[in-house]
Amino acid sequence: EPEVTQTPSHQVTQMGQEVILRCVPISNHLYFYWYRQILGQKVEFLVSFYNNEISEKSEIFDDQFSVERPDGSNFTLKIRSTKLEDSAMYFCASSEWYSTGELFFGEGSRLTVL
Amino acid sequence: DAKTTQPPSMDCAEGRAANLPCNHSTISGNEYVYWYRQIHSQGPQYIIHGLKNNETNEMASLIITEDRKSSTLILPHATLRDTAVYYCIVTQGGSEKLVFGKGTKLTVNP
Repeated sequence: EPEVTQTPSHQVTQMGQEVILRCVPISNHLYFYWYRQILGQKVEFLVSFYNNEISEKSEIFDDQFSVERPDGSNFTLKIRSTKLEDSAMYFCASSEWYSTGELFFGEGSRLTVL
Repeated sequence: DAKTTQPPSMDCAEGRAANLPCNHSTISGNEYVYWYRQIHSQGPQYIIHGLKNNETNEMASLIITEDRKSSTLILPHATLRDTAVYYCIVTQGGSEKLVFGKGTKLTVNP
C-alpha cells in the first residue's frame, strides 16, 4: 500500500538553528499538508500546498516557517530559527483530491529543540 | 476549535463491538463527518467518512442520525491493535483544513 514517508524520524537541534523536515507524499497525490502535535496536545494544522504554492496556512505558520516542493517527489518544511516551543511531532500528509478530507499521514518527524 | 464533542475515554473488551459516539449539533448541510484514529504517537489514520447515509468499509461502520447532529463509529470486533485515540471531525473537505479535537481514547482490554 502506498504511504507517505518522512525523514528524519527524530531530530535534535539547538535553539536558533535551521531545520528541514522532509516528506515524500504518495506519488499520484496533488495536495500536501503539514500538521504538528506538541506532546500531549492536539494535532494542529500548519499549512496546505498545491500547485507549488501555499493554499492555506494557520496562525502558527509564521515567517519562520516555509514549505517547498523542490522536485517531483519531495515536500519540505523549513524552520529558519528554531525556538523551544517548536519542539513537537511534525506530520506530513497528502491527498489525491482537494475535495476530500481523506488525508494520508506519514509517521511523523519528532523535533526536539534544546 | 473543533465542532465536535466526544467522550474523553472508553474501554472495550477484545472481540466485542466498540461504539464511539460523537456529537456535532452545529453541522451544516455541506459538511461531512470524518473519523480518524491515532495509534500511540503515529500519524493519524483515516477510517471512514459520511454525509448523511450510513457507511461501512473494511475497518468500521459509521452511523449518522437522521438529523445529522450525532454519529457513532462502530468497530465490530475490536482487537488490542484498535487501542488508539479516535477523532471525529466535521469538515467540508477541500477548502477546509482538518480540525482535530481531543478525541476519544479507546482502550481495548484482553
